[in-house]
Amino acid sequence: AQSVSQHNHHVILSEAASLELGCNYSYGGTVNLFWYVQYPGQHLQLLLKYFSGDPLVKGIKGFEAEFIKSKFSFNLRKPSVQWSDTAEYFCAVSAGSSNTGKLIFGQGTTLQVKP
Amino acid sequence: AAGVIQSPRHLIKEKRETATLKCYPIPRHDTVYWYQQGPGQDPQFLISFYEKMQSDKGSIPDRFSAQQFSDYHSELNMSSLELGDSALYFCASSLGDAGTSGVDEQFFGPGTRLTVL
Repeated sequence: AQSVSQHNHHVILSEAASLELGCNYSYGGTVNLFWYVQYPGQHLQLLLKYFSGDPLVKGIKGFEAEFIKSKFSFNLRKPSVQWSDTAEYFCAVSAGSSNTGKLIFGQGTTLQVKP
Repeated sequence: AAGVIQSPRHLIKEKRETATLKCYPIPRHDTVYWYQQGPGQDPQFLISFYEKMQSDKGSIPDRFSAQQFSDYHSELNMSSLELGDSALYFCASSLGDAGTSGVDEQFFGPGTRLTVL
């Protein structure tokens, strides 16, 4: 069965620090990869997605992620975080021979940015 | 821009009661997904519909049923509610059948917070 693992459950950073959140998935075939953000009390919003092509994907709000197929990874990065980036971050995968688009989510990473 | 609408936003029920959650997808979106997010947990896929037909099924209890109507809105019906059903229920919509036209981005609604007492 497909699974998604996020290494960091809780990350605390100061403003302007660099961010990298790890995400690994288990599936040997073609995958579609996503990072979603959930601000406190709000719904999930798409940060970025990878379907094919350039493995370095740029998303909204200065976020980017790199798909490394050999490592089954899709890590999220931001060079300089802001207080407003405080949120829950979810990595998600959709995959399978009969891909219906359902998302398998990681456990989430809570990011707290101190002003 | 129009977003996914879910109603109600909050719902409080007693054990063994029933609940109906509604989801109105973005206009022209024909695919709907339902997810359950327990406290401090990641969203878990429940069920999805494409063009009013069930397209996939996840960890949805037999006590739950869902359908998609001709106007593409969807309803999640939950019976014999248990304390463990307390969660945030998200609906997401997308355009097209992932199996034929490729996976597309899912847009999430604000969720319905269900509390079972």
